[in-house]
Amino acid sequence: AQTVTQSQPEMSVQEAETVTLSCTYDTSESDYYLFWYKQPPSRQMILVIRQEAYKQQNATENRFSVNFQKAAKSFSLKISDSQLGDAAMYFCAYRSSYQETSGSRLTFGEGTQLTVNP
Amino acid sequence: NAGVTQTPKFRILKIGQSMTLQCAQDMNHNYMYWYRQDPGMGLKLIYYSVGAGITDKGEVPNGYNVSRSTTEDFPLRLELAAPSQTSVYFCASSFGLAGGQLDTQYFGPGTRLTVL
Repeated sequence: AQTVTQSQPEMSVQEAETVTLSCTYDTSESDYYLFWYKQPPSRQMILVIRQEAYKQQNATENRFSVNFQKAAKSFSLKISDSQLGDAAMYFCAYRSSYQETSGSRLTFGEGTQLTVNP
Repeated sequence: NAGVTQTPKFRILKIGQSMTLQCAQDMNHNYMYWYRQDPGMGLKLIYYSVGAGITDKGEVPNGYNVSRSTTEDFPLRLELAAPSQTSVYFCASSFGLAGGQLDTQYFGPGTRLTVL
């Protein structure tokens, strides 16, 4: 079974600065997908960014980018030019590529609460 | 296009009561999921369905039942509510195999359930 670990329960950053959230995972599979979801106080789960394990290039979405280290099983999220609206709980998630047997299920980490200070 | 909808938003149950959490999606997704999120924790999969008439257990299925009679609806049933089931429940859906490699889950707004 796969596990996802987020070792930082809380992080804080000053507005306009950069912050990196850590995530490690454990799997015996070679092909899989990794995601970062954002959960603001509204509780809505919002997809921030995703990475295919077979791609060496790190994914980027505007101010959000990842550092994917497959050998180390590490998947960190970097938020540049932090904004007040970035304040939320951030979850790292894993999905097997074997949809036929796993049903595309997501395995989540425990989350990192990000505070953005003005 | 409403996406994934859940009802109710909030509910308080007494120990031993039963209830059904409703979930519907209008995106013609094949796959649907139920997760629970305990305070300060990540989401854990309760049950999932890969199509009408097909359901399977996730990580934490005990105390719950599901059915999938249509593509659009995926209700979650609690038969004998216990305090350990106090949680926030999220429904999600995705295209599944039809979505290909980039299949993405879309989440509903959640139902906050308290069992006293």
